[in-house]
Amino acid sequence: NAGVTQTPKFQVLKTGQSMTLQCAQDMNHNSMYWYRQDPGMGLRLIYYSASEGTTDKGEVPNGYNVSRLNKREFSLRLESAAPSQTSVYFCASSGIVGGTGELFFGEGSRLTVL
Amino acid sequence: EDKVVQSPLSLVVHEGDTVTLNCSYEVTNFRSLLWYKQEKKAPTFLFMLTSSGIEKKSGRLSSILDKKELFSILNITATQTGDSAVYLCATPPWGAQKLVFGQGTRLTINP
Repeated sequence: NAGVTQTPKFQVLKTGQSMTLQCAQDMNHNSMYWYRQDPGMGLRLIYYSASEGTTDKGEVPNGYNVSRLNKREFSLRLESAAPSQTSVYFCASSGIVGGTGELFFGEGSRLTVL
Repeated sequence: EDKVVQSPLSLVVHEGDTVTLNCSYEVTNFRSLLWYKQEKKAPTFLFMLTSSGIEKKSGRLSSILDKKELFSILNITATQTGDSAVYLCATPPWGAQKLVFGQGTRLTINP
């Protein structure tokens, strides 16, 4: 009963280092998302993939890249980390066509950039 | 630009009180509004509202939508310490397969 699984759960980086956050879902959902959450800011969408083979920018895409590897997996890459990217990152998926329905979230990845 | 605004941003009450959380939205061609509860980790789904005036209820939690005035409220009666969480509302912009979230309301229930 895994749902949405994110790795790693915690990561500390130095400014300029790169890393990839991995996300996998086992619910056969078409759509997958990456959000970041900062204090007082709610959830802000970084990138999403409405279906396998497509990706689109969200509200805050700068400094990030994504890959929809297959239907199950959606990764988020920071090529050159900056302190402003210190945040909690959530991956989510949705099986509802048209994007009107609920998202299922992973447990989050806490990233600190020094 | 599509926007979701929640109020208050923070609320502290005593156990047993009733609370009302507010969510207003501006989105082209409204389709739905969703409420989530976030404790320590991932947000969990509470309600999805699509029609005005129809209350959705789950135990002590209830929610209603007003499509004319563009807002929704989440009520929690007889609050318990386990209700302490951040409550988020969200709506999908027209034509996009995603959700736009509000800032969240941090609710603290003191014993």
